[in-house]
Amino acid sequence: QSALTQPASVSGSPGQSITISCNGTSSDVGKHNLVSWFQHHPDKAPKLMIYEVSKRPSGVSSRFSGSKSGDTASLTISGLQAEDEADYYCCSYASNIAWVFGGGTKLTV
Amino acid sequence: QVQLVESGGGVVQPGRSLRLSCAASGFTFTRHDMHWARQAPGKGLEWVAMILSDGLTEHYADSVRGRFSISRDNSKNTLYLQMNSLRAEDTAVYHCARDVTGSWAFDYWGQGTLVTVSS
Repeated sequence: QSALTQPASVSGSPGQSITISCNGTSSDVGKHNLVSWFQHHPDKAPKLMIYEVSKRPSGVSSRFSGSKSGDTASLTISGLQAEDEADYYCCSYASNIAWVFGGGTKLTV
Repeated sequence: QVQLVESGGGVVQPGRSLRLSCAASGFTFTRHDMHWARQAPGKGLEWVAMILSDGLTEHYADSVRGRFSISRDNSKNTLYLQMNSLRAEDTAVYHCARDVTGSWAFDYWGQGTLVTVSS
């Protein structure tokens, strides 16, 4: 499977909202409602922010939300805060027991 | 709290082998499928392998199938990745991750261990 496509970088000011897109295909993002999003600070463990397209794990701020339309998934962060600055990765189940990740998006606040 | 701690990384020559370990704590290890994923320098994350909770079924990415082997010792709460015939393109930080039961997602990750394949 090919990697999902994300913008290399996005930026926003504190308090603003940003959206990160994740483009897949009809074999992964478009086929399954099994898209997740991770926040990754350098030299730390990735943190699950969204799973099953739009569900938030316990403890994740409601400022983080996910959605999907066709082959494209999106992560929206509202009320940007300095600590949101990190790399963000999307991931989709891709059939035949395999997963595919996006290339990552660097968020600058 | 859930903790996953990888070990076993290092510098290895092409064609040689290395075994990674992932020590799990803070949850019932036997109830969760487990994964390995990796991140090459300057690149994105890549899923590598998965093993079901009972240790009887494994799945691999095409890039490592036939060279890597995932296993687990449920009596020791430990996940393993045996890597054989290593190539330069296997150079990466390797993370273990816990599977969210029923959701095909990874809810907890370790910090990772660096594997460098170089002569």
